[in-house]
Amino acid sequence: GAGVSQSPRYKVAKRGQDVALRCDPISGHVSLFWYQQALGQGPEFLTYFQNEAQLDKSGLPSDRFFAERPEGSVSTLKIQRTQQEDSAVYLCASSLATGGYEQYFGPGTRLTVT
Amino acid sequence: AQSVTQPDIHITVSEGASLELRCNYSYGATPYLFWYVQSPGQGLQLLLKYFSGDTLVQGIKGFEAEFKRSQSSFNLRKPSVHWSDAAEYFCAVLLYNFNKFYFGSGTKLNVKP
Repeated sequence: GAGVSQSPRYKVAKRGQDVALRCDPISGHVSLFWYQQALGQGPEFLTYFQNEAQLDKSGLPSDRFFAERPEGSVSTLKIQRTQQEDSAVYLCASSLATGGYEQYFGPGTRLTVT
Repeated sequence: AQSVTQPDIHITVSEGASLELRCNYSYGATPYLFWYVQSPGQGLQLLLKYFSGDTLVQGIKGFEAEFKRSQSSFNLRKPSVHWSDAAEYFCAVLLYNFNKFYFGSGTKLNVKP
């Protein structure tokens, strides 16, 4: 069956540009997570949705980062006025149940800010 | 401070040799424990998980892990490594009262022919 998909797979942005990263979770999955993975590091939690409700956004590094999931399925992570330190792979994961006991990860979007 | 530690950044083993990747965590209570594998350009794939019960858990691709409460460890093992196992391996914990994973920094496995 279809897994978690993310688009685009690669994104190059000039510093100061806004970007939008899309995540299509597995159909029917209630929970959705975003992670940021810097080069050579493990993924770090950004934010969590249960259906359309954003229950935890404590990992978002600044107010330039914004995530939404308006209909409880597809999610978009938006980064405004990108900075070089935003360069990373952004991973999306979904989970069937509430909470994140078994998360299925997408391939990620590699963002490079020049 | 709460943390997940994978002390080995890189490990090289010969094909057919045994493998052990180390993971230690530092949390107040026993969290849920996971191992994921990430191949280049791929997402994270779950190898195995521990919630409770038998401390030796079996996973996919012939991997197993053992939870040792006294050592706060959850080491990943495989008796005979295959060239296709070359990848990066991440240990992760889930605090069940919170919906967050905390990942270690990863161990990159190279397999020599």
